[in-house]
Amino acid sequence: SAVISQKPSRDICQRGTSLTIQCQVDSQVTMMFWYRQQPGQSLTLIATANQGSEATYESGFVIDKFPISRPNLTFSTLTVSNMSPEDSSIYLCSVESGGTYEQYFGPGTRLTVT
Amino acid sequence: DQQVKQNSPSLSVQEGRISILNCDYTNSMFDYFLWYKKYPAEGPTFLISISSIKDKNEDGRFTVFLNKSAKHLSLHIVPSQPGDSAVYFCAAKAGKSTFGDGTTLTVKP
Repeated sequence: SAVISQKPSRDICQRGTSLTIQCQVDSQVTMMFWYRQQPGQSLTLIATANQGSEATYESGFVIDKFPISRPNLTFSTLTVSNMSPEDSSIYLCSVESGGTYEQYFGPGTRLTVT
Repeated sequence: DQQVKQNSPSLSVQEGRISILNCDYTNSMFDYFLWYKKYPAEGPTFLISISSIKDKNEDGRFTVFLNKSAKHLSLHIVPSQPGDSAVYFCAAKAGKSTFGDGTTLTVKP
């Protein structure tokens, strides 16, 4: 299993500003995933972050809006840039187990944009 | 196009009875299916999974059934307990995971 922490746990931000979310894993992992969960909706994959290479973004998500850093095998950041109220969501960091396909998730960052 | 659907947003059952949560998918390339449970203010936690080569997997009170011809899976919880009250997500993998919208289960004492 993996233990994942995220900072901040929640924040209220003004439109036009940016917020950087940190994700720390207690073990080394190759891939880290960033998800968004909008109110009442499913978990949507934003991007996959590999250490030492550019993140891979899903359709509908772009690097200019959601830049990701992956400086080492236990840490990643996601920045939500130039925020609008539509960015109000829970943002989740996740890793996949080594031997099976189950994923472990951080507690999430609840973002409200006013 | 939503490839994984949980058509029931909510389900309420009495403690001790069976809870059945359903999930439908459209992509025949999915080869692994998982259920996650999510409590408020926490991230989802893995519950149980099943490979596409099987039709049933059981773990204690939790059983997942897979009907490939119908592209349907279900999670059975027997007996249901108040602590099972949470949002349940099904997920299907073809490389990466695709999640359903979730079903909120309420187990009444």
